[in-house]
Parts: sequence; C-alpha cells; structure tokens
Amino acid sequence: KQEVTQIPAALSVPEGENLVLNCSFTDSAIYNLQWFRQDPGKGLTSLLLIQSSQREQTSGRLNASLDKSSGRSTLYIAASQPGDSATYLCAVISNDYKLSFGAGTTVTVRA
Amino acid sequence: GAVVSQHPSRVICKSGTSVKIECRSLDFQATTMFWYRQFPKQSLMLMATSNEGSKATYEQGVEKDKFLINHASLTLSTLTVTSAHPEDSSFYICSASLPGYTDTQYFGPGTRLTVL
Repeated sequence: KQEVTQIPAALSVPEGENLVLNCSFTDSAIYNLQWFRQDPGKGLTSLLLIQSSQREQTSGRLNASLDKSSGRSTLYIAASQPGDSATYLCAVISNDYKLSFGAGTTVTVRA
Repeated sequence: GAVVSQHPSRVICKSGTSVKIECRSLDFQATTMFWYRQFPKQSLMLMATSNEGSKATYEQGVEKDKFLINHASLTLSTLTVTSAHPEDSSFYICSASLPGYTDTQYFGPGTRLTVL
C-alpha cells in the first residue's frame, strides 16, 4: 500500500521568503504525482502535475521536482505572499489511477 | 471547464438520520467518480470509486451498507450516509474524471457533515 508523508506538517515564514515543501512516498511505481492547494473548509485546487517520466514541472512561482527512484518530490514556492497561506497536499497517482494523499503542509505567510 | 459541484456544502443532522450528498459534473460527462473523506489535519482517504450504471467499488474498511453510492447518470453521483453517528462527522469530497482520461480527477468543493 502506498504511504505518502509530508514534512513539515506546518510552516510559518515572513513574506518574501522562499518555501520548500517535501513529500515522500514508499512505492516508486507511480503513474503521476500531483500537488494541490486546499484553503480552509474548501475543496482542492490542482497546482502542478508531474508525470512519472518527468523530473520537474513549473508554473509561475511554483516549481515541483520528482525523484521517483528515491520516492521524493519537492514543491518550491518563490517569493512567498500572504495569499499563499493554505494547506498544500501531495498526491501520488498509482498505475490504477487511484490517488494516495499526504496529510499536507499548512503554510502561513506573515505580512 | 471540468467543473464539479457538491450539494450541500454543509449539513448538520441528528444521530440516526440519513444524509444524502450530491456530486455533479457541470460541463462534462463523468463515467467515473470518486468519493473521499477527510478528517481534520489528516489526508484525504479514498472511500469508493463509482462508475456510471454499475455498482461502486469500495476501499478496504469502508462499509458499503453504511455509505451508499449511486451513480445513475453521467453527471451525478450521490453518497448517502445511513444512520449517521457522530464518528461519521467529516469532510466529504468527490471528484470526477473525463471519459478516457481517468488519470486526471477534478475535485468538488467538499461537504462538511456534522452529526450531533
């Protein structure tokens, strides 16, 4: 069974600082990996999807890397803003298209 | 495009009653829909996968008689929590996939269920 771990569980940084969020997974036989944002009491917003054959994916201030062999992915958020405050979820998509989620990293960006 | 809605967004009910949650794909037909639950500070856990016109496939440990799933049309799936108890209080989220693109799920906004 795929286990997904996200470290740290919570992070508080001053505005402008870069954010580094970590995700690890136990089974390297994955189809894709996806990063989501979740605001309190809300659903999920997809941020980046990395296919298993890719090493990284970028969108604006966001960059996600994937090292399948070591079972790791990292989400980088450059020049953080208060609006980036949310919980970030990592999800591993297996070959049967099922998603296994981590518990998330809750980010607070202080103005 | 690919918008998924849920109704209601929030529901409070008494212990022992049944609650129905709807999941709709608004601008596409979804042959496959998924139901997740999320406890505070915990990850989303897949409860079941539903395919239009057939019985849902439940994950291990999920009681199928407790959580009834119906996917009667290509745009609507329902989750009924039967005889709800306080331990069923949770955040329920559905997702849907486009036909032929089951590797991508579009998520609804979630339903907060509180059982008193």
